Amino acid sequence: QKEVEQNSGPLSVPEGAIASLNCTYSDRVSQSFFWYRQYSGKSPELIMSIYSNGDKEDGRFTAQLNKASQYVSLLIRDSQPSDSATYLCAVNLVYSGGGADGLTFGKGTHLIIQP
Amino acid sequence: GAVVSQHPSRVICKSGTSVKIECRSLDFQATTMFWYRQFPKQSLMLMATSNEGSKATYEQGVEKDKFLINHASLTLSTLTVTSAHPEDSSFYICSAIDRGTSNEQFFGPGTRLTVL
Repeated sequence: QKEVEQNSGPLSVPEGAIASLNCTYSDRVSQSFFWYRQYSGKSPELIMSIYSNGDKEDGRFTAQLNKASQYVSLLIRDSQPSDSATYLCAVNLVYSGGGADGLTFGKGTHLIIQP
Repeated sequence: GAVVSQHPSRVICKSGTSVKIECRSLDFQATTMFWYRQFPKQSLMLMATSNEGSKATYEQGVEKDKFLINHASLTLSTLTVTSAHPEDSSFYICSAIDRGTSNEQFFGPGTRLTVL
């Protein structure tokens, strides 16, 4: 069973602080890793993608990948109330029941930025 | 940026009827499209992968005769929920990928299906 695990939260962070979101995955052959933001009733919006070990920074967002530990994280610096949403970790598996490139999503972490 | 649209955004139907949902890539050619389903408080679950001009590949547990997928052109894929029942009520989201440029998936806005 290929799984992506996230703490469902809610994770409450004061405005201006760093929000840290974590994700683990079970399949070692996973190749690509994504963080999506989803507002209630809306479809996911891509925040970051990461493919190799280490850190990747884009503005206030930093994605971190450790394939040996099967762990990927997202840091949000200078958190804003508009960052309040559910953050979905997604993994692109080499084999997914016949679908070659479909994403496997975690259940998401509900992030609340307190003004 | 790449834009994917879905139509309709919301549909309510009676049990036993069929519903068609369209997914269009507006400014790029989508060699592959994916259909996901999301139940309340749950994550997105991949239902099927469709490549233009070929049959869709369904995930385990998804009935191909119930969820008909057609990807007749590089900009349009359709999902038809046949003989819909209340348990099919869900948020259906498509995504599209242009393998010629990257493997990033661009998501449509989703279709909220309610079966009475």
